[in-house]
Amino acid sequence: GAVVSQHPSWVICKSGTSVKIECRSLDFQATTMFWYRQFPKQSLMLMATSNEGSKATYEQGVEKDKFLINHASLTLSTLTVTSAHPEDSSFYICSAQTGGWTEAFFGQGTRLTVV
Amino acid sequence: GQNIDQPTEMTATEGAIVQINCTYQTSGFNGLFWYQQHAGEAPTFLSYNVLDGLEEKGRFSSFLSRSKGYSYLLLKELQMKDSASYLCAVGDSNYQLIWGAGTKLIIKP
Repeated sequence: GAVVSQHPSWVICKSGTSVKIECRSLDFQATTMFWYRQFPKQSLMLMATSNEGSKATYEQGVEKDKFLINHASLTLSTLTVTSAHPEDSSFYICSAQTGGWTEAFFGQGTRLTVV
Repeated sequence: GQNIDQPTEMTATEGAIVQINCTYQTSGFNGLFWYQQHAGEAPTFLSYNVLDGLEEKGRFSSFLSRSKGYSYLLLKELQMKDSASYLCAVGDSNYQLIWGAGTKLIIKP
């Protein structure tokens, strides 16, 4: 199956700093990538849909100025958590879809801890 | 609104069979997915159903009834490594995945 690489796997940062998470499709072109957040014992929550070459579409309640998404190429999307606070600590996961609608391929996830 | 329901937690015995149910109400339907997620890891794809009926893949099978808004994941010959959360997700009319909260499956020896 297709491979999606997410980096870093885990990061600890100080409150007030920014963190960038990368999501790369390694062997296919992903015109659309999705960013999710998952709190412990809860389901995946879609944060935004990232389309190559255009602005991301954010879900209701997600601050677009805090969670900056850039999808500059068909293989790379980045999520930057700006001015991170402890409540932003969560598991962030990206996924990408190929042209067909048969499967969403997930990155490994990034465990963010803000101290 | 859109809603996906699945049990929060189930317990089963190693070697046995377990069925995890999922009911959904979504705006449109473009297939139902089952994913397995171990704690602290990303989900991994198990199955995809878009037509009614049973899809079998090794020890795992998935069933769909679109008229009833219902699916189940059947796991046979349970192994300890099957202990995980199982997520049901439905593609809506915009091809966006709507996720259930997940069912935590506990396997006992």
